[in-house]
Amino acid sequence: DAKTTQPPSMDCAEGRAANLPCNHSTISGNEYVYWYRQIHSQGPQYIIHGLKNNETNEMASLIITEDRKSSTLILPHATLRDTAVYYCIVRVDPPRGFQKLVFGTGTRLLVSP
Amino acid sequence: DGGITQSPKYLFRKEGQNVTLSCEQNLNHDAMYWYRQDPGQGLRLIYYSQIVNDFQKGDIAEGYSVSREKKESFPLTVTSAQKNPTAFYLCASIEDSTDTQYFGPGTRLTVL
Repeated sequence: DAKTTQPPSMDCAEGRAANLPCNHSTISGNEYVYWYRQIHSQGPQYIIHGLKNNETNEMASLIITEDRKSSTLILPHATLRDTAVYYCIVRVDPPRGFQKLVFGTGTRLLVSP
Repeated sequence: DGGITQSPKYLFRKEGQNVTLSCEQNLNHDAMYWYRQDPGQGLRLIYYSQIVNDFQKGDIAEGYSVSREKKESFPLTVTSAQKNPTAFYLCASIEDSTDTQYFGPGTRLTVL
């Protein structure tokens, strides 16, 4: 799996957009970018994933650069409940066999009133 | 209400005792995984199962055992051979159509 690099922490004001960056400069052509978040003492929650096109769902948007070496997760209107650790993960897909998600230390997002 | 359930939420064990953590899913997923998470760290894979009656060791299987007798259930036993069992344990299953992993709420195990 490709290694990802994320800032250790970020702050965001409630109601504003939160833009969380991730570098994955060694990503291979068939590796997807996944985002999860983890609120303290809970299981990781799936947010979104993509290969090379930008993706949007009810939770967030994922912007992947054209060279695929970096991506940004966008929470369009952050709320206090979005305070969590956000993990950017790269893995091969489809992994018919052993699927391994390598969670790094992530970005701790603090949303303040 | 579909999802992955883990029980108990908190578990205390004395040294030398085996303990079994429950993981159940009603999502009809074939693959199920067990991870442990230590404070400030990412997840490490303990065991995984791609299908009923089959399971494989992950990166840190020593001191753990699993069974997969039913599609819905993948219990994890933490044995007395596990040297440092205090951790947050997470179970996950994989949605077949998207290969996306979904996680349970976790069990926090503390060895006294």
